[in-house]
Amino acid sequence: EIVLTQSPGTLSLSPGERATLSCRASQSVRDNYLAWYQRKPGQAPRILISGASNRAAGIPDRLSGSGSGTDFTLTISRLEPEDFAVYYCLQYGSSPLTFGGGTKVEIK
Amino acid sequence: QVQLQESGPRLVKPSETLSLTCTVSGGSISNYYCTWVRQPPGERLEWIGNIYYSGTTNYNPSLKSRVTISIDTSKNQFSLTLGSVTAADTAVYYCVKGAGWLPDSWGQGTLVTVSS
Repeated sequence: EIVLTQSPGTLSLSPGERATLSCRASQSVRDNYLAWYQRKPGQAPRILISGASNRAAGIPDRLSGSGSGTDFTLTISRLEPEDFAVYYCLQYGSSPLTFGGGTKVEIK
Repeated sequence: QVQLQESGPRLVKPSETLSLTCTVSGGSISNYYCTWVRQPPGERLEWIGNIYYSGTTNYNPSLKSRVTISIDTSKNQFSLTLGSVTAADTAVYYCVKGAGWLPDSWGQGTLVTVSS
């Protein structure tokens, strides 16, 4: 199975700053089937990005996904208060689907 | 807007069977993959498996011998059973409706504890 490694584990930033989250795969993700999710305490995870770079409906353009093969990035250009949360990557190109361990973006 | 709600016992005894049902509202599960995902305390999210509305299933090999996912399109529900549970199966269980294999709309999740 494909192992996804997210880094850093925790990102401490201030509102308005840029956040760069990494997701690295142990082998190439088929067709770049890589998704990003956001989860806040007490809420269901929300899909942000699919296919490595396609924003889901209603996701603001300050969030963007990039990358291919084994290296993927989620970038938040300017952090808003509602962006402080935990982010997960998921590869859905090969079974079993696998998730990264998560990156917590916290207020500095 | 599609909403998913997990239901079932929150406490299961070791060696018994865990059973959860997901009720979908605001949209039909026909033509979609329906997925179960779990997260044990302090661990990463784990894909359990999925079922297509036709009944075709796919399971994580790590759980395949103990898992069954079923679907009832007439009730807009799908279900999870996990047999021979141990403390390692204590987790928050999520039901998720998929866009293809991509988990898309998630339920809130329900904590199931395995303990005597």
